[in-house]
This record gives sequence, structure tokens and C-alpha cells, in this order.
Amino acid sequence: DSGVTQTPKHLITATGQRVTLRCSPRSGDLSVYWYQQSLDQGLQFLIQYYNGEERAKGNILERFSAQQFPDLHSELNLSSLELGDSALYFCASSGRGGAGGADTQYFGPGTRLTVL
Amino acid sequence: AQTVTQSQPEMSVQEAETVTLSCTYDTSENNYYLFWYKQPPSRQMILVIRQEAYKQQNATENRFSVNFQKAAKSFSLKISDSQLGDTAMYFCAFMKHMDSSYKLIFGSGTRLLVRP
Repeated sequence: DSGVTQTPKHLITATGQRVTLRCSPRSGDLSVYWYQQSLDQGLQFLIQYYNGEERAKGNILERFSAQQFPDLHSELNLSSLELGDSALYFCASSGRGGAGGADTQYFGPGTRLTVL
Repeated sequence: AQTVTQSQPEMSVQEAETVTLSCTYDTSENNYYLFWYKQPPSRQMILVIRQEAYKQQNATENRFSVNFQKAAKSFSLKISDSQLGDTAMYFCAFMKHMDSSYKLIFGSGTRLLVRP
């Protein structure tokens, strides 16, 4: 158990809908990262938050957005969903998130999103 | 741009034998970090091992060790005394400082099957 939690575990929805994925980082970690893993592929970095502020952006679509709250949990919002958005979405957390060093990222169990 | 290449899509090994997974990367940077993550059928991403580029000594974690060849930009993972529980997808990942953050770039993965 990495200490990172994600909910829900599975999500099935229809095209055009909007969903919210939730992540709680390890205790003490300030940084949260979101990744997308399409079927049998590597992970693609989406976005990073550090202590409530956006720190880095990757290949995140405009239909997707995220935020990190004062209690450091994070939510990833996916809207106007398309079939191609079906994937595993991982959250990872680390300690200093670039402010002090290259901290190892620890991953949550992921949320499997299926868009029908 | 940094890229990570895992040239072996699939490998298999007999239980108790040793197997080596290959990874090469491309960078012009001198300071960076390398990781191996394991993704078993449960789809959880589990850290296996971490290597700092400035360290000459190869990292070791129990049955897992790396052969880090900085000049050749090679970072292979050796699994000794393979166990059935080692069956998983293995991802090599490269981390470097970009903008105000440290970003992880993943390879496409190697699927390892440990045969009884």
C-alpha cells in the first residue's frame, strides 16, 4: 500500500458526460500528479499540483481540469467525455514536488474510467 | 526531448532464474533520476528501484538490481531468483527537472511472465 488513495475505483459513464476523480496524497506529501494510462500503454503525465498551486502541465486536454484543495487532496475533472478518454487514471504524490529535490512519486491504485 | 525506450515488449523466465530487462534513454542533461516501476495484473504502479545519475554505484533492492551505464544511456533491471509474483508489466522511467518541476517520462513497458 503506497498510502495514496483514489476514488472511485471504477467509473462507467456515457459520452458527453462529466466526471470527477479524487485523490488523497500520502500523509505529508505536498505534490500531486495525475497520469493517464490507455490500454496497455505507458503513463502520460497530465498535470501536477504543489501545495494548492498548479506546478506543471503535460498532455492535458482542455476538457480536463484539476485542482488541489487546502487539505491537499486533489480532483481531476473530465468533461465532454469521448470514447477515447477511457483509460486508467493514476494519481501520484511526492514530498517536495520539485521545490527541494527529485522526490520519488508513489502511485495510487488508479481509477478505471469506461466511457460508453 | 527526453525519450525512454524499452525494446523488449515481452519476456518470460523460468521461476528461480535470472532475467534482465533493458531500457535506454535519450537526454543531454547530466543530472537526472531513473526508476523502474512494476505494474502487476492488479494495475497498481509499484516502485521497484531508483537510481540517481550522479551515483556511480548501481542501486540494489533485494532481488532487484540495476546496471546503470551513464555514457551508454542504458538502465537495465536484473531480477534474480524470479518468483511467480514478479509477473507484471515493468516500466522504466526517467525524471528530470523541467521548468519548476520534476517530470517523469515513462517507457512503453516490458511484460514479464514468470513460468512455474
